[in-house]
Amino acid sequence: AQSVTQPDIHITVSEGASLELRCNYSYGATPYLFWYVQSPGQGLQLRLKYFSGDTLVQGIKGFEAEFKRSQSSFNLRKPSVHWSDAAEYFCAVGAVNNDMRFGAGTRLTVKP
Amino acid sequence: EPEVTQTPSHQVTQMGQEVILRCVPISNHLYFYWYRQILGQKVEFLVSFYNNEISEKSEIFDDQFSVERPDGSNFTLKIRSTKLEDSAMYFCASKLAGGFQYFGAGTRLSVL
Repeated sequence: AQSVTQPDIHITVSEGASLELRCNYSYGATPYLFWYVQSPGQGLQLRLKYFSGDTLVQGIKGFEAEFKRSQSSFNLRKPSVHWSDAAEYFCAVGAVNNDMRFGAGTRLTVKP
Repeated sequence: EPEVTQTPSHQVTQMGQEVILRCVPISNHLYFYWYRQILGQKVEFLVSFYNNEISEKSEIFDDQFSVERPDGSNFTLKIRSTKLEDSAMYFCASKLAGGFQYFGAGTRLSVL
């Protein structure tokens, strides 16, 4: 069965510091992997997705994520965090014509 | 950019009442989904719908829930007799075959 683990419930970083949000997945085949962002009371905004090809995926606002098959991971990174990045981040795994499974989320707090 | 539209953004109802949450998927999409997010928890899959029938459902999706595509453009989730624990954010999503899911902004359901 497919599942997603986000080990960190809450991360606090200082503005300008680097960020890495961890995501591990369990899936029987090559998965589709996603990172969604959710601000309080808002919907889910897709930040990054990986289907195939280059394992380092570039997203908007300086975010990137790297798919590592050997580690079953799809960690999200940003070299320099901005205060507006504070939000809940969800990693998700899915497949063609399948539903998606979400991780429990990581809440990012950015200190001034 | 095309988007999935959900109405209303916030629905308040009394326990035991029926509610219908409405979604307008992206017009050429063929697969439709409902997800639920209880406050502070992760997003959970409820049901997927394709070719006018349910293709998969989770254990959450019991007999109190039903889905319908009444007119070729709307996709609805009905909760027959709401319970307090149905209070959550409900997300609709749609996709093309082989594509990834686009999510709506969600409907916040408050059961009093």
